[in-house]
Amino acid sequence: RKEVEQDPGPFNVPEGATVAFNCTYSNSASQSFFWYRQDCRKEPKLLMSVYSSGNEDGRFTAQLNRASQYISLLIRDSKLSDSATYLCVVNGGENFNKFYFGSGTKLNVKP
Amino acid sequence: EPEVTQTPSHQVTQMGQEVILRCVPISNHLYFYWYRQILGQKVEFLVSFYNNEISEKSEIFDDQFSVERPDGSNFTLKIRSTKLEDSAMYFCASNPGRGGWTEAFFGQGTRLTVV
Repeated sequence: RKEVEQDPGPFNVPEGATVAFNCTYSNSASQSFFWYRQDCRKEPKLLMSVYSSGNEDGRFTAQLNRASQYISLLIRDSKLSDSATYLCVVNGGENFNKFYFGSGTKLNVKP
Repeated sequence: EPEVTQTPSHQVTQMGQEVILRCVPISNHLYFYWYRQILGQKVEFLVSFYNNEISEKSEIFDDQFSVERPDGSNFTLKIRSTKLEDSAMYFCASNPGRGGWTEAFFGQGTRLTVV
């Protein structure tokens, strides 16, 4: 079983749409969770950390369900500039030995 | 803002040659990593490094690969005898390693092309 699983997409949405990404992880001992954004041929960049209580940053909302080992990212009022690949990343266990990456979900926002 | 820097940005090498990819992690960080991403595929973990030794490595990180922190600032990845399938983007990352919800900070990557 993969450590982190995501729907590969692509998700093709019009500007202004709300889009949701989902992710599941296999290691119940995982401590920290993140969403990264990756533009074509660039490095992954942190979009937001995901906290147990859920957290919001402007148009972006992240949720964590530890019982279901499920992470989500919601983007409201999507912009053309949101087009990218969104990576679910999980810190594997009790230390910082490894960050596990999902395969990423590609988002295309169309005018 | 502190950042992870990698050199070179692009390296072309002949099959069978040795390459060294260089990284300068963020100065007060304790954990260092190498990841690779073959074009169109996912980001794959290669190795993590802590306290001057390998902390964990993946099955990809075989005897052809080695890492070193030769001084207080650089962190290098060596591939001894490159194969065509080593062509990929290689990302270095670092992490403060001190509790809390700390993410990995990535460099801009080195694109390795083996011909």
